[in-house]
Amino acid sequence: DSGVTQTPKHLITATGQRVTLRCSPRSGDLSVYWYQQSLDQGLQFLIQYYNGEERAKGNILERFSAQQFPDLHSELNLSSLELGDSALYFCASSEGTGYNSPLHFGNGTRLTVT
Amino acid sequence: GQSLEQPSEVTAVEGAIVQINCTYQTSGFYGLSWYQQHDGGAPTFLSYNALDGLEETGRFSSFLSRSDSYGYLLLQELQMKDSASYFCAVRDRSGNTGKLIFGQGTTLQVKP
Repeated sequence: DSGVTQTPKHLITATGQRVTLRCSPRSGDLSVYWYQQSLDQGLQFLIQYYNGEERAKGNILERFSAQQFPDLHSELNLSSLELGDSALYFCASSEGTGYNSPLHFGNGTRLTVT
Repeated sequence: GQSLEQPSEVTAVEGAIVQINCTYQTSGFYGLSWYQQHDGGAPTFLSYNALDGLEETGRFSSFLSRSDSYGYLLLQELQMKDSASYFCAVRDRSGNTGKLIFGQGTTLQVKP
């Protein structure tokens, strides 16, 4: 168990809808990262937060947004969903942004858009 | 920007040794990491190399050559449970963000 909690585990929704994915980082970790993994694909970096502040953005669509709250949990909001948004969404946390700080991943949320 | 290349698939037999290579291009380098992912599960950290040479952790070893922008993960005494995807990753130096960029992953199939 990595200590990172993601909810829900599975989400099935229709095109055009909006969903919110939730992540609680490991106790003490200040950095939260969101990654998208489509079928048989690598981990695509979406966005990173550090202690409540946005730190880095990857190829995140404008329809997607995220935030990190004062208690350090994070939410990823996906709106106007399309079929192509179906993927595994992983949250990860690390103690800091140090280059030797490993990422600890949650079990992911599997999103299916129908 | 950063890019990483690794083979898409590798097959080996139980008990054998397998090497998964990774070449990278990056504007700044702060070390090469390796992660393991079993069939859609959570990726888990395996190793990190900041300096040239070999790092050993049990049956797994990781090697880095900064001059060649190259590294590999070596798995010895393969077991069926080692069947998984393996990702190399580098930190993004730009803006001191620390974000981790992953390769596309290598699927290792271990056969009896």
